[in-house]
Amino acid sequence: DTEVTQTPKHLVMGMTNKKSLKCEQHMGHRAMYWYKQKAKKPPELMFVYSYEKLSINESVPSRFSPECPNSSLLNLHLHALQPEDSALYLCASSPGQGGVISYEQYFGPGTRLTVT
Amino acid sequence: EDQVTQSPEALRLQEGESSSLNCSYTVSGLRGLFWYRQDPGKGPEFLFTLYSAGEEKEKERLKATLTKKESFLHITAPKPEDSATYLCAVQAFAGGTSYGKLTFGQGTILTVHP
Repeated sequence: DTEVTQTPKHLVMGMTNKKSLKCEQHMGHRAMYWYKQKAKKPPELMFVYSYEKLSINESVPSRFSPECPNSSLLNLHLHALQPEDSALYLCASSPGQGGVISYEQYFGPGTRLTVT
Repeated sequence: EDQVTQSPEALRLQEGESSSLNCSYTVSGLRGLFWYRQDPGKGPEFLFTLYSAGEEKEKERLKATLTKKESFLHITAPKPEDSATYLCAVQAFAGGTSYGKLTFGQGTILTVHP
């Protein structure tokens, strides 16, 4: 099973709201990722967690706050977003373990975020 | 800086008309090249990983090949359900880590008409 789940599927929020996106995988993967994808563009990396520790932050604004409570869960906390933050937010995971010989990332279905 | 260029931007085929998509790349030490399929409003679906020049992978009507500078995704006798955006991505070696950043191309939008 190569399934990554994301909730909610759709989210509409105002610029003063606080909301969270959730991602879950049960493949035993130790690396998890957040990507942002605008229409007709490829995914752009935001954050990487390896063994539940933040390993890469691609200079993402502080209004996006990631959290990795355990090896299966990844959250993205949102606060004071701007309309230009409206996009498809994708979660992915990869084995990310020492000695692994495959590096492909498996993506979830995404959360469509609209900021009003 | 790693770069990936895909061509063409869009490709329209008749059902059964075979063709190829191109992915040219420059990377400082290729760990892997990945092909994904993405349907509108959905997350990318993993298709293939290629690790070294000369490697080939096949799945149903799709075949991916790799050279030192580019990769091709060959589509044989496509069907309308093959219509999607096909994304190519590369990952460079990153020290001793076993995770890594994917650098994506802009994608090729494939439309197959019945």
